[in-house]
Amino acid sequence: SSELTQDPAVSVALGQTVRITCQGDSLRNSYASWHQQKPGQAPVLVIYAKNSRPSGIPDRFSGSSSGDTASLTITGAQAEDEADYYCTSRDSSVNHPVFGTGTKVTVL
Amino acid sequence: QLQLQESGPGLVTSSETLSLTCTVSGGSISSSLWYWGWIRQPPGKGLEWIANIDYSGTTYYNPSLKSRLTISVDTSKNQFSLRLTSVTAADTAVYYCARWAKQWLTFDQWGQGTLVTVSS
Repeated sequence: SSELTQDPAVSVALGQTVRITCQGDSLRNSYASWHQQKPGQAPVLVIYAKNSRPSGIPDRFSGSSSGDTASLTITGAQAEDEADYYCTSRDSSVNHPVFGTGTKVTVL
Repeated sequence: QLQLQESGPGLVTSSETLSLTCTVSGGSISSSLWYWGWIRQPPGKGLEWIANIDYSGTTYYNPSLKSRLTISVDTSKNQFSLRLTSVTAADTAVYYCARWAKQWLTFDQWGQGTLVTVSS
């Protein structure tokens, strides 16, 4: 299956740490990446190749993976981190991108 | 700095064809490092990959849409395009064009998106 499953929503207190998970078979043999999407805006890449950050992305964002599960951790969440987060991978059997179902992060 | 810009009608009549173009600036579309793709997002819903193409014309389509889809590239104009036939209200969405980095297996640059509404 090429589906990537995420928890629909999580909340985190300001300054605390939150972890978002993404589960799917494609993650066993393909990098996971993560996009942040704020209302009315295009997605922005925050983590790629499991745990690399594009230029300009704060180091409070980090990624990890094990087996069929990838995780995005925000350490010291800020108000501006409130957004939807999508994991992305590739279904290697057909060379197709696949998106996760998305997680809404609320910063309290 | 690479920029992608979607263009096309914001309103399409049901059963007609949706056509969008993505213009790439600040970089060449003719590189073996990238695919160029389309992604859509229905209002209030998640992201759905539609199709990818590279500069040589190699294409990959979402199987659920493949029968209605054509993606093409024009390297002379640094553009790539999407055609989706026989649209219905279910095709109403924000359509994004984006660059797929083959090395990192992700979309690393996105256009701002364009809302396409299918009306009856």
